[in-house]
Amino acid sequence: SQTIHQWPATLVQPVGSPLSLECTVEGTSNPNLYWYRQAAGRGLQLLFYSVGIGQISSEVPQNLSASRPQDRQFILSSKKLLLSDSGFYLCAWRPRGSVKGLNTGELFFGEGSRLTVL
Amino acid sequence: EDQVTQSPEALRLQEGESSSLNCSYTVSGLRGLFWYRQDPGKGPEFLFTLYSAGEEKEKERLKATLTKKESFLHITAPKPEDSATYLCAVEKGFQKLVFGTGTRLLVSP
Repeated sequence: SQTIHQWPATLVQPVGSPLSLECTVEGTSNPNLYWYRQAAGRGLQLLFYSVGIGQISSEVPQNLSASRPQDRQFILSSKKLLLSDSGFYLCAWRPRGSVKGLNTGELFFGEGSRLTVL
Repeated sequence: EDQVTQSPEALRLQEGESSSLNCSYTVSGLRGLFWYRQDPGKGPEFLFTLYSAGEEKEKERLKATLTKKESFLHITAPKPEDSATYLCAVEKGFQKLVFGTGTRLLVSP
């Protein structure tokens, strides 16, 4: 069965420090990968998605970047954190392939990483 | 603008008291509607996918339905372990899921 791992689970960082959140998926190959952020009282916001190694699409201009160095590894980074980067970050994956000719299907989420920037 | 609105924001039920959660959307070109359950401090857990109006899915005490403008998540005879935040999301376009802000459900014994 497929599993998704995300770490660290909790992170407290000072403003201006770098960030690296890592996500790996097991039990599948060639998945679509996603980073979401969930802020209190707001819906999940898509930050980045990737359909393959080295292929990153950014949905929201921001202080963050993403990379996919391996098929099942997705990394969220920042060179200098801002207070506004605080939030709950979620990695997700979706099987490659299509349903009804479209690339749809359920997303499976990791356990999340709680980032607090002070 | 594409929007997903969930109501109510919070719902408190007594154990066994059935109710429904609503998800209304104004997304054009709907490609799927998803329901998730999220426990505090955890990632969302997938519940259902609905693709076309009239479709229904069931899982234990939960039943999801879909019309052209909204979806309902019906909870029959809920138990305290059903307490969670329920999220609705719609997919429009390539890889774009738009999430609602969720309904926080509390079921008291």
